[in-house]
Amino acid sequence: ETGVTQSPTHLIKTRGQQVTLRCSSQSGHNTVSWYQQALGQGPQFIFQYYREEENGRGNFPPRFSGLQFPNYSSELNVNALELDDSALYLCASSLGARDMNTEAFFGQGTRLTVV
Amino acid sequence: QKEVEQNSGPLSVPEGAIASLNCTYSDRGSQSFFWYRQYSGKSPELIMSIYSNGDKEDGRFTAQLNKASQYVSLLIRDSQPSDSATYLCAVNNNDMRFGAGTRLTVKP
Repeated sequence: ETGVTQSPTHLIKTRGQQVTLRCSSQSGHNTVSWYQQALGQGPQFIFQYYREEENGRGNFPPRFSGLQFPNYSSELNVNALELDDSALYLCASSLGARDMNTEAFFGQGTRLTVV
Repeated sequence: QKEVEQNSGPLSVPEGAIASLNCTYSDRGSQSFFWYRQYSGKSPELIMSIYSNGDKEDGRFTAQLNKASQYVSLLIRDSQPSDSATYLCAVNNNDMRFGAGTRLTVKP
């Protein structure tokens, strides 16, 4: 148990719809990173939030957006869903900003299927 | 060239043997290195972190780092069937970059 929780665990959406995924970070952690993991691939970095501000972004289009709240929980929003967005979405919690390179602990993930 | 490269496997070892997993990375500025274990259908679980050159041991696991060669490895001694999983190498220089993982099977 990492203390990082994600909801929902599974989700089916239609192409063109919007989706919001949620993550509660481990107690004491102030940084949340989001990853997309396609089948058979390693996780791909989407973005990171540190103290409620975006603190780095991977190679994902603007329709992927996020928020971090004062309690350090976070949301990932994806607009205009495409079939290729079907993947496991992972949230990782850590302490400190990205340049501190500390250990990150994952939640159980949200499996998103776009049909 | 991929940023983090791992042999995809599958790597098959008998129970009790040593499993050796390897990873190379391209960003010379990388500061920290991690090994995650991922069981099928589950999320990655952190098993080792290493920050400086040399070996780091934790139980049956030993991580090895050579920054000059841009190489990091994980040795699993006395492999057990429960070690069967995909092992992800992650390299951090502000952004955490993952390899595609090596699938390990430990046969009883």
